Amino acid sequence: QKEVEQDPGPLSVPEGAIVSLNCTYSNSAFQYFMWYRQYSRKGPELLMYTYSSGNKEDGRFTAQVDKSSKYISLFIRDSQPSDSATYLCAMSSSGAGSYQLTFGKGTKLSVIP
Amino acid sequence: DADVTQTPRNRITKTGKRIMLECSQTKGHDRMYWYRQDPGLGLRLIYYSFDVKDINKGEISDGYSVSRQAQAKFSLSLESAIPNQTALYFCATRGFEDGYTFGSGTRLTVV
Repeated sequence: QKEVEQDPGPLSVPEGAIVSLNCTYSNSAFQYFMWYRQYSRKGPELLMYTYSSGNKEDGRFTAQVDKSSKYISLFIRDSQPSDSATYLCAMSSSGAGSYQLTFGKGTKLSVIP
Repeated sequence: DADVTQTPRNRITKTGKRIMLECSQTKGHDRMYWYRQDPGLGLRLIYYSFDVKDINKGEISDGYSVSRQAQAKFSLSLESAIPNQTALYFCATRGFEDGYTFGSGTRLTVV
């Protein structure tokens, strides 16, 4: 079993839809969780960063972490065509002191106008 | 200027050639990383460095070498390029409490 599993999609939704992106992980040492967004021919950019179970909101984006189930989600409300990108989850065991992130393979999202 | 700058953006090279990919950053971060990204395989760590005197192998370092010329500069070399090194290469930095800041990538094709 890979440490981080992420459905590669592709996922296609109409504009305005609520999008749910998910990752599962097997390493219970992971304590810090991130979501990156990667546009075509660009590097990933940090979208959300959280280290506790529960929800964290930032505008139209909500990151959810359930450590007991080893499951994280990213919700996008009122999705826009500009949200079309590949979304990668990432996690590490010790956050600030960690030398390495473990990435999911990414989910490609298309938001259709 | 971008926080993390990679050069070149695109490169086609022949099998057996030596090639260097360069990375410079203005974030002032000590930690720098080289990743490659392949379809279906995601991001894989090649090398990382915590400071100028600290170089560490990552998950897939065979066939690669790095040089940390200064806090702001971290270059990746392919000593003798082979076709399965065709990939998208990313340099990244990381602050103490931050996530990564990635460059825009170098698309390398080895023919």
